[in-house]
Amino acid sequence: SQKIEQNSEALNIQEGKTATLTCNYTNYSPAYLQWYRQDPGRGPVFLLLIRENEKEKRKERLKVTFDTTLKQSLFHITASQPADSATYLCALGGGTDKLIFGTGTRLQVFP
Amino acid sequence: DAGVIQSPRHEVTEMGQEVTLRCKPISGHDYLFWYRQTMMRGLELLIYFNNNVPIDDSGMPEDRFSAKMPNASFSTLKIQPSEPRDSAVYFCASSLSTKGLYEQYFGPGTRLTVT
Repeated sequence: SQKIEQNSEALNIQEGKTATLTCNYTNYSPAYLQWYRQDPGRGPVFLLLIRENEKEKRKERLKVTFDTTLKQSLFHITASQPADSATYLCALGGGTDKLIFGTGTRLQVFP
Repeated sequence: DAGVIQSPRHEVTEMGQEVTLRCKPISGHDYLFWYRQTMMRGLELLIYFNNNVPIDDSGMPEDRFSAKMPNASFSTLKIQPSEPRDSAVYFCASSLSTKGLYEQYFGPGTRLTVT
């Protein structure tokens, strides 16, 4: 069955450093991959979408890579700030109209 | 735009009672999704609609769950009878799938507690 793995342990980093979150998947060939941010008590918020034929996509301090050979996506936040502290979810899609979400990784940025 | 609207925000009910969750998608969006989120299982898709028609309900846990979308601006998720294991946060999301863009817009969720 399709499986998406995100690091269940929280990632703690110091302000100003680059945070790197990982999303691995198996038994799936997604046409695209999305990253969402979720704050406590709120719904997920869309951040970025990257397609299978794209290696990298950037948006301000965010960068996403997509390696279909490794079946992995990396999500980077450069110059991290305490306001970046949240849970980040990856989601895979393609073939149908629905997304399959990972369980998310909690990021904590300390001043 | 007000975004996706869900009600109630919190619901506490006793086992065996009927629970109805409500969702108003973003105007003009043609897809509506119902999710359930728990610590153990993460965000799970229950059912989704396209142009008010249910497309895939394979995620609905059992017959106690039902969902309807009578028009483009309203959907309900009903649990009857409710059980303690249904306790979770239920999210509604909508999207507009044009030009291959599939980003979903989530509501604030309904936190359901069944005692």
